[in-house]
Amino acid sequence: GDSVTQMEGPVTLSEEAFLTINCTYTATGYPSLFWYVQYPGEGLQLLLKATKADDKGSNKGFEATYRKETTSFHLEKGSVQVSDSAVYFCALRSSNYQLIWGAGTKLIIKP
Amino acid sequence: GAVVSQHPSWVICKSGTSVKIECRSLDFQATTMFWYRQFPKQSLMLMATSNEGSKATYEQGVEKDKFLINHASLTLSTLTVTSAHPEDSSFYICSARAPEFDEQYFGPGTRLTVT
Repeated sequence: GDSVTQMEGPVTLSEEAFLTINCTYTATGYPSLFWYVQYPGEGLQLLLKATKADDKGSNKGFEATYRKETTSFHLEKGSVQVSDSAVYFCALRSSNYQLIWGAGTKLIIKP
Repeated sequence: GAVVSQHPSWVICKSGTSVKIECRSLDFQATTMFWYRQFPKQSLMLMATSNEGSKATYEQGVEKDKFLINHASLTLSTLTVTSAHPEDSSFYICSARAPEFDEQYFGPGTRLTVT
């Protein structure tokens, strides 16, 4: 069945560092791909998405490109801030609109 | 944007009692709602999918008689945890979608603690 694998955390970085959180998937067909963020004490928020191969989703300085050839959707940000500390989830949407989730990666940014 | 609320945000109950959690779409009609369970430091586990006016579809391993889901209207779905036990303690999250939306919108979650 469909699945999502993302790098384990926690990931600890200093402010202004470059961020990459890896995400790979297995799926039949060409699913839509998502990154969600969960800030401490808050609900899940959609961060960005891509619906087809080579699409780049971007929001709040974060980017991820849908790579069909490597079945990947890695999350990147050029310069992280303390306020980016959160748990990040990679997910794919199956044909029946169900979301298949990665395990989540906790990001800790130190000033 | 589309807003989904959950009530209560946290609840503590005694073992053996039942607890109802509400999920509401505030500014759109949700034809489909999803219920998830999130264990500490783990990902979300889909429990069931409910479509308005029909019975919920439960994921494998989820007891439908224990986790009663009702999607009585286009803006409200409820999850009732019956005869709760400490192992039911968890963070329960709902999401909702409508045909005009390409994505699900998530509620803030409900923290259930069974003592």
